[in-house]
Amino acid sequence: GAGVSQSPSNKVTEKGKDVELRCDPISGHTALYWYRQSLGQGLEFLIYFQGNSAPDKSGLPSDRFSAERTGGSVSTLTIQRTQQEDSAVYLCASSLSGPSTDTQYFGPGTRLTVL
Amino acid sequence: AQSVSQHNHHVILSEAASLELGCNYSYGGTVNLFWYVQYPGQHLQLLLKYFSGDPLVKGIKGFEAEFIKSKFSFNLRKPSVQWSDTAEYFCAVNKRDSNYQLIWGAGTKLIIKP
Repeated sequence: GAGVSQSPSNKVTEKGKDVELRCDPISGHTALYWYRQSLGQGLEFLIYFQGNSAPDKSGLPSDRFSAERTGGSVSTLTIQRTQQEDSAVYLCASSLSGPSTDTQYFGPGTRLTVL
Repeated sequence: AQSVSQHNHHVILSEAASLELGCNYSYGGTVNLFWYVQYPGQHLQLLLKYFSGDPLVKGIKGFEAEFIKSKFSFNLRKPSVQWSDTAEYFCAVNKRDSNYQLIWGAGTKLIIKP
């Protein structure tokens, strides 16, 4: 079946502009996660959704970052007033129910470059 | 704070060499343990995982990992590597008693010389 998809695959933006990143999880997966991968670093957790609610937003680095999920499916991660340090690959993953025991399946990522 | 340490950031081996990649975590409670792999140009994918039971876990492509609770370790092994194993390998841990996110190691870039 279809895996996790993300769009766009690449995004180049100017400092100060807002960007929206989209994630389509695997159908039927109730849990959805956003991570950030900076050059030479491991994955940094950003936010986790269970259905449409976000029980854990602890990883969002600042109030410029927000995310929503509608209909228990598609999620968008919005970064307002982008800064150069926001440049990274943003990864989305989904799992059947929750992170405690489920395998997370990853999308291809969106590479964000802030000039 | 919880952390996951992968000791080797870059490893270069020749084909047929044996591989062991180290992973240690800091959390003292009950954990789930994962190794993910990212081949060049591809998504992150699960290599193997440990939730409970036999601490020696076998994964895809001949990989295995051993959970040693007393050492807080979950090292990845393969007896004989192939050129196609060139990839970046990530260890990740989460706490079983809470619905929390994976904590990731920084990754190990493995290059296999043909």
